[in-house]
Amino acid sequence: EADIYQTPRYLVIGTGKKITLECSQTMGHDKMYWYQQDPGMELHLIHYSYGVNSTEKGDLSSESTVSRIRTEHFPLTLESARPSHTSQYLCASSPTPGGGSYEQYFGPGTRLTVT
Amino acid sequence: AQSVTQPDIHITVSEGASLELRCNYSYGATPYLFWYVQSPGQGLQLLLKYFSGDTLVQGIKGFEAEFKRSQSSFNLRKPSVHWSDAAEYFCAVGAYHDTGNQFYFGTGTSLTVIP
Repeated sequence: EADIYQTPRYLVIGTGKKITLECSQTMGHDKMYWYQQDPGMELHLIHYSYGVNSTEKGDLSSESTVSRIRTEHFPLTLESARPSHTSQYLCASSPTPGGGSYEQYFGPGTRLTVT
Repeated sequence: AQSVTQPDIHITVSEGASLELRCNYSYGATPYLFWYVQSPGQGLQLLLKYFSGDTLVQGIKGFEAEFKRSQSSFNLRKPSVHWSDAAEYFCAVGAYHDTGNQFYFGTGTSLTVIP
């Protein structure tokens, strides 16, 4: 059972607000990821981290930012939300390959609606 | 460059019928392959994975997949579909480097199960 959590699960917020989507994992994984997914669509990598104080932008340009101050915590922040940010945001983590475990573990997602 | 192709956007099958979802990949080295399932409003759950060894792998919920190197394929199968299998299915390739892991997802196949 994967131990990766996302809060809130659902968020409706007005344009211009600052929001932070939380993601935490208790598996001690050093690698964490944020994906953006529109309904019925593929996953787009927007940020990733290979360890504490390491963050990189993904393939999809995003106006969000991330931080990785602790191994278990990888929050995503939107300084000024816009309707174009309406989407589902999925957080994932993966261990350093070895011991037969290479896969990503996903959180339940945050469904964001910006009005 | 790595890529994953799921040629079937949507598949409809009758309950009790067999199922095969197709996945083709492009990757220069030995691939690490995964199938995930996503129910509406949820994160992704790992169904099965292939790293090495036996090319026919068993997963959860009665699913299996076969790795065929010569065809660059990793098709997912189930002999008898249940109504609860209706969901979105994603095939993924894992690329592992000294600096970290990257995962490449297909665009997904939506499965509808009719009574």
